[in-house]
Amino acid sequence: DAGITQSPRHKVTETGTPVTLRCHQTENHRYMYWYRQDPGHGLRLIHYSYGVKDTDKGEVSDGYSVSRSKTEDFLLTLESATSSQTSVYFCAISERRTGGKETQYFGPGTRLLVL
Amino acid sequence: GQQLNQSPQSMFIQEGEDVSMNCTSSSIFNTWLWYKQDPGEGPVLLIALYKAGELTSNGRLTAQFGITRKDSFLNISASIPSDVGIYFCAGQEAGANSKLTFGKGITLSVRP
Repeated sequence: DAGITQSPRHKVTETGTPVTLRCHQTENHRYMYWYRQDPGHGLRLIHYSYGVKDTDKGEVSDGYSVSRSKTEDFLLTLESATSSQTSVYFCAISERRTGGKETQYFGPGTRLLVL
Repeated sequence: GQQLNQSPQSMFIQEGEDVSMNCTSSSIFNTWLWYKQDPGEGPVLLIALYKAGELTSNGRLTAQFGITRKDSFLNISASIPSDVGIYFCAGQEAGANSKLTFGKGITLSVRP
């Protein structure tokens, strides 16, 4: 199994509070991703990182920010949580092969409930 | 945005049967990945495919990268109860900065 951990694994919070989720890898992979998974939508990319301090937006980035100060850690912050951000959040890591081809490995997920 | 089509949403089979599922795209991909997700867990990579026509096996699982590069197939032979789960496909277009696109998954149930 890829060495990816996510913390916390479960969280309940209230609307309007900030929340930070952490992804930690031991594989020294360059690329890291944050996805959310919701019924009927599948996996949707929130933000990703292609190196320390290098991040970019995905398709559902509104209301989220990220930071990557070390290769091994990628943080996702919900600046002011809303009920629509209740979801399961997955972190993924990858290295890119020649031609940009990549294989992503996923963490165990964080279940977030915003009341 | 780009979408991958996986259908049907659910499949029900008898233990011991073979099952086949496919994934189609409107775009040409240069990578196809197949994942399995158990309840409460993250997706686990089953098979990765990088060349058109490539056929790769992982135990009872076999996946193929379609010749048109717009589809991929996953076969599970002699199904067992632990094959239950959600099977996702993911594809990636050519390009150094292209992202993975995911299908919505097929939920497989296996009757003992």
